Amino acid sequence: GQQVMQIPQYQHVQEGEDFTTYCNSSTTLSNIQWYKQRPGGHPVFLIQLVKSGEVKKQKRLTFQFGEAKKNSSLHITATQTTDVGTYFCAGPYTDSWGKFQFGAGTQVVVTP
Amino acid sequence: NAGVTQTPKFQVLKTGQSMTLQCAQDMNHNSMYWYRQDPGMGLRLIYYSASEGTTDKGEVPNGYNVSRLNKREFSLRLESAAPSQTSVYFCASTNPRGSPLHFGNGTRLTVT
Repeated sequence: GQQVMQIPQYQHVQEGEDFTTYCNSSTTLSNIQWYKQRPGGHPVFLIQLVKSGEVKKQKRLTFQFGEAKKNSSLHITATQTTDVGTYFCAGPYTDSWGKFQFGAGTQVVVTP
Repeated sequence: NAGVTQTPKFQVLKTGQSMTLQCAQDMNHNSMYWYRQDPGMGLRLIYYSASEGTTDKGEVPNGYNVSRLNKREFSLRLESAAPSQTSVYFCASTNPRGSPLHFGNGTRLTVT
């Protein structure tokens, strides 16, 4: 069946460093969404990418959708302690555009 | 606006007991979802409702039933709880066509 995979599962980052997390789908996606979940909280929407090769920026966060619309990445520059949390990507099921499948997430720990 | 409201926030059940998790949204969204979150497994879709009166199974529907009572409310029932259903349950809502999901604060369920 359709799978959405994220790597790495865990990311330990020194404050001030950059890192990237990756999302790969087994099928072509019409769009991809990214969410952030703070420890003990609920997922909160960050951004949606729709077009092949699309790049969007939110301050220190850069999101990219692959040319084949099967992969995506989130790059964070100059990591801060406020970036702590788990980042999820989610894509719609190919057989039902209203349903979303989430990756397992990348848990980010920031060391001051 | 309250957004998506889930009750209860915490629950402890014994094996075999039943309970209903409640979810209500005040954003006039058509689509509603129930996800469960387990460590290292991300968010897995239990059930989905595209509109009032319709429901559809997700990845992990076994052991659960749902009711879309009206446009606002979507409940999840465990008829005979099992330890494998220990998890954090999130309700979410959205309007269709790839709009962001809005999540409730979650219900932390422990089955002993």
